[in-house]
Amino acid sequence: HSALTQPRSVSGSPGQSVTISCTGTSGDVGNWDYVSWYQHHPGKAPKLMIYDVTKRPSGVPNRFSGSKSGNTASLTISGLQGEDEADYYCCSYGGSDTYVVFGGGTKLTVL
Amino acid sequence: DVQVLESGGGLVQPGGSLRLSCVASGFTFTSSAMSWVRQAPGGGLEWVSTISDSGHTAYYADSVKGRFTVSRDNSKNTVYLQMNSLRAEDTALYYCANHIVISGSYYPYFDDWGQGTLVTVSS
Repeated sequence: HSALTQPRSVSGSPGQSVTISCTGTSGDVGNWDYVSWYQHHPGKAPKLMIYDVTKRPSGVPNRFSGSKSGNTASLTISGLQGEDEADYYCCSYGGSDTYVVFGGGTKLTVL
Repeated sequence: DVQVLESGGGLVQPGGSLRLSCVASGFTFTSSAMSWVRQAPGGGLEWVSTISDSGHTAYYADSVKGRFTVSRDNSKNTVYLQMNSLRAEDTALYYCANHIVISGSYYPYFDDWGQGTLVTVSS
């Protein structure tokens, strides 16, 4: 499995919404509902933001939402805040041979 | 509180070996799979290896298969990553993470992460 495809960067102003796409194949994103998203601030540990495509762990604001259509998953952040500026990675289960594969990461800039 | 602490990183020559350790606490260690994820300088996250809760099943990325071995000691709440035949492209910050457990089953999501341990492969 190759890395999932994400845009290298996205940006938005405070209060706006942004969507980050994550394109895989029928062997990973398209075949399993085991898609997750991670927020990574440089120098800190990554943080799980979304799992099972749409679920939020306890403590994650409901401004963060996930979805999937076919081979493409998406993360939407509404009501952008400055603290949302970070790198975001999608991840998908790929079956017992691959286990999981990450996307290349998307840098979110809050203007 | 959950704590995950990696150690064992350092500078090693190409072709050399290194063993990373990850000690975890604050959750039921024997119920969770554990994984290693790395980030090369300037790069993104790359999954490296996962070991099941019992330790009986292990998974590896193609890039490390045959060179890295993951193991765990449930009596010590510790996971290990033995890295052999190291290459320059293995240079990275190596994170250890536990998995989400729901109703006694672990899922392919990395829940709690450590701060990482840096491995540098260079002559």
